[in-house]
Amino acid sequence: DAMVIQNPRYQVTQFGKPVTLSCSQTLNHNVMYWYQQKSSQAPKLLFHYYDKDFNNEADTPDNFQSRRPNTSFCFLDIRSPGLGDAAMYLCATSTLTGGFTDTQYFGPGTRLTVL
Amino acid sequence: GEDVEQSLFLSVREGDSSVINCTYTDSSSTYLYWYKQEPGAGLQLLTYIFSNMDMKQDQRLTVLLNKKDKHLSLRIADTQTGDSAIYFCAESHILTGGGNKLTFGTGTQLKVEL
Repeated sequence: DAMVIQNPRYQVTQFGKPVTLSCSQTLNHNVMYWYQQKSSQAPKLLFHYYDKDFNNEADTPDNFQSRRPNTSFCFLDIRSPGLGDAAMYLCATSTLTGGFTDTQYFGPGTRLTVL
Repeated sequence: GEDVEQSLFLSVREGDSSVINCTYTDSSSTYLYWYKQEPGAGLQLLTYIFSNMDMKQDQRLTVLLNKKDKHLSLRIADTQTGDSAIYFCAESHILTGGGNKLTFGTGTQLKVEL
């Protein structure tokens, strides 16, 4: 089945220790997104890629970066995690055809704990 | 501006109908979505409605959109224990960099009791 996969499902890191979260998709969608969802809150868009073009949300901290080496994979890098970065990180994909953006499909998420 | 609000909790008995409400402020939204999130899991797309529609039915789910009042609702018929989850509504805006941005509501925790 075509799907969005996130690895690992649970990640524990230490304060200040860089961490990378991974997302892959078999949907061949050209848009990939990263959302942050803190406990009991709504998901919040961090940034997205349209093909290789990176688009950052204005209020995303510099501590968060992303890479998309090919259509299938997208990574979220947190350079120096703080306690406030503990959250569920959700990857989503969508496709853009004929100027019309399709529905976003989400992966299962990676829960990040910062000690 | 972008602001999406939902009531925090809803409790229903199994077999009853559930109605989850959502209000939004941005009338330029193209699509409005309902997602379901079970504990510790990602977001599962339930249904969506285009902004020029006022109703959409999909099996047990009925979405009503009142564009004048910027009010969206999700009705679940014959609610089952497996429907217990958090339900998020979201409005969609096209991004200049391609893609679309979802602005989510606060989420409604639905509890289904036997």
